[in-house]
Amino acid sequence: DAKTTQPNSMESNEEEPVHLPCNHSTISGTDYIHWYRQLPSQGPEYVIHGLTSNVNNRMASLAIAEDRKSSTLILHRATLRDAAVYYCILRDVGKTSYDKVIFGPGTSLSVIP
Amino acid sequence: DVKVTQSSRYLVKRTGEKVFLECVQDMDHENMFWYRQDPGLGLRLIYFSYDVKMKEKGDIPEGYSVSREKKERFSLILESASTNQTSMYLCASSLWSVNYNSPLHFGNGTRLTVT
Repeated sequence: DAKTTQPNSMESNEEEPVHLPCNHSTISGTDYIHWYRQLPSQGPEYVIHGLTSNVNNRMASLAIAEDRKSSTLILHRATLRDAAVYYCILRDVGKTSYDKVIFGPGTSLSVIP
Repeated sequence: DVKVTQSSRYLVKRTGEKVFLECVQDMDHENMFWYRQDPGLGLRLIYFSYDVKMKEKGDIPEGYSVSREKKERFSLILESASTNQTSMYLCASSLWSVNYNSPLHFGNGTRLTVT
């Protein structure tokens, strides 16, 4: 299974941009990069995903390196509600519905007022 | 919106009891997953299912079994609960498409305590 590595923890000041890195050096050509976040006492929620090109949505932006061996989740303006554990995972595009989805420990983001 | 519902938010069971954790999704998703989450260990995959009656072991299946008799329901079974199975259990579901990589949708979890 393709694996990802992330820093254990990061800190950010409120209202500043946050760049959360993820390394996935063994990524295959059909792996999508997904990001999820988990707020305290809740299940993880989907943030964003992409294959090759950078992606933007209302929650965040995803910047994917040209060689796809790393990616960065960008929160443009951190708020206290963004304090969470952020998970970067890889998922195959899925020629069949067989879908073993593995999470790592993630990055715990603290936001300082 | 997709809804993944786990039958209990909190559960307390005794050692040796048979425990059923139920998960229901309302979006006709093919894929369903059971994870457990412990401090410092992140989410660990116990079992997943990619179709009715189909199941595959994840990374930590020992001590657990699963059942998927209907597409919308995926049950996690602890045949004989032990204290080391005290944990937060999270269910997730996902649509499958050969052309599109669909997100996972999670329930809010069941916190199981085995005494």
